[in-house]
Amino acid sequence: RKEVEQDPGPFNVPEGATVAFNCTYSNSASQSFFWYRQDCRKEPKLLMSVYSSGNEDGRFTAQLNRASQYISLLIRDSKLSDSATYLCVVRIGFQKLVFGTGTRLLVSP
Amino acid sequence: SAVISQKPSRDICQRGTSLTIQCQVDSQVTMMFWYRQQPGQSLTLIATANQGSEATYESGFVIDKFPISRPNLTFSTLTVSNMSPEDSSIYLCSVADPNEKLFFGSGTQLSVL
Repeated sequence: RKEVEQDPGPFNVPEGATVAFNCTYSNSASQSFFWYRQDCRKEPKLLMSVYSSGNEDGRFTAQLNRASQYISLLIRDSKLSDSATYLCVVRIGFQKLVFGTGTRLLVSP
Repeated sequence: SAVISQKPSRDICQRGTSLTIQCQVDSQVTMMFWYRQQPGQSLTLIATANQGSEATYESGFVIDKFPISRPNLTFSTLTVSNMSPEDSSIYLCSVADPNEKLFFGSGTQLSVL
């Protein structure tokens, strides 16, 4: 079983739609959680950290469920510019980050 | 946030040769990380480069194949040695800020013929 698992997609949604991605992790000792965004042929960039109480940044909402060991990302009012691959990232030790394979999102006009 | 300059951005190499990738950071950092992203895959940590000591390699990666230098707190190199087509990948260097957020260089796309 992979340490971090994501549905690879692609998720094809129209502009303005709400879309949600889930990610599961296998190590119950995981300590920190993040969502990164990676555009085609570009390096990953941090989208947001994920906190136990859930957190929101504009149109993006991240949730963490430690009991079920999953993380979610909700994108409201999708924009064309949201098209990218979204990587779920989990810290399992000191400076040791494990990346999921990513979920590809395609937002169409 | 850290600004990371990585070069070359891409290269096409013959099998059996070696390529050295350079990474320059605009601030001093204790640890630098080297990742590999194979086609259609996610990022896999190759090693952690510490200044003044040997790099720490992850399972499946060895120093003879991926030697790393870290001469100071702003610079590191990764060499991909004796390359084969299976080494075709994107190689990324990164640093972490005190809040654990990773910042990446723009990557080196390597194709081995």
